[in-house]
Amino acid sequence: QLVESGGGLVQPGRSLKLSCVASGFTFSNYGMNWIRQAPGKGLEWVAYISSGSSYIYYAETVKGRFTISRDNAKNTLYLQMTSLRSEDTALYYCARGTYSSYHWFAYWGQGTLVTVSS
Amino acid sequence: DVVMTQTPVSLSVSLGGQVSISCRSSQSLVHNNGNTYLSWYLQKPGQSPQLLIYKVSNRFSGISDRFSGSGSGTDFTLKISRVEPDDLGVYYCGQGTQYPYTFGAGTKLELK
Repeated sequence: QLVESGGGLVQPGRSLKLSCVASGFTFSNYGMNWIRQAPGKGLEWVAYISSGSSYIYYAETVKGRFTISRDNAKNTLYLQMTSLRSEDTALYYCARGTYSSYHWFAYWGQGTLVTVSS
Repeated sequence: DVVMTQTPVSLSVSLGGQVSISCRSSQSLVHNNGNTYLSWYLQKPGQSPQLLIYKVSNRFSGISDRFSGSGSGTDFTLKISRVEPDDLGVYYCGQGTQYPYTFGAGTKLELK
């Protein structure tokens, strides 16, 4: 199970930190992703972090503003978002692949809504 | 970035019917390791997306054999046979071959 939290209403230019608590599997064995969905729009992959945090990738739209991290001892994935823009308004999902691969998203959380508005 | 183009944007189907959704990528999705990482997802109204198909044609755990995926290189298809009410929603293709991972814009499946 993946449970996101930390979303809310935030003004443009401000920061917000999302969390995703994992349970029911060995969190430290899996790469993790953040994927977002703007209201009424499609899916956009945001960031990936490998199981041991050695590999991290970002979408160009968030590179330099968002930071993905994890705490394997706490079974928690994070997304630190800074310099937020209106176009960052979306439902943010955390998601992981299967044991055999990180090339697809087999398990998703229910999402946490981030609204960037003055 | 790899651009994923899905057609059609929407589809109307009768219960029990069959539909096909096309997904084309702007580059070959064959990975250096020889695998092709094309996946299909269904997002039912008000729910998170769920994985249907991975690596072009492999059904994920618990997915009905009414769903089948095919294709290669840059051209892929999802077929749904004997459509049921629970199949309605938005279908997305996605590529996991190279970062940034990308998705198609979605195909909305509705009842006729």
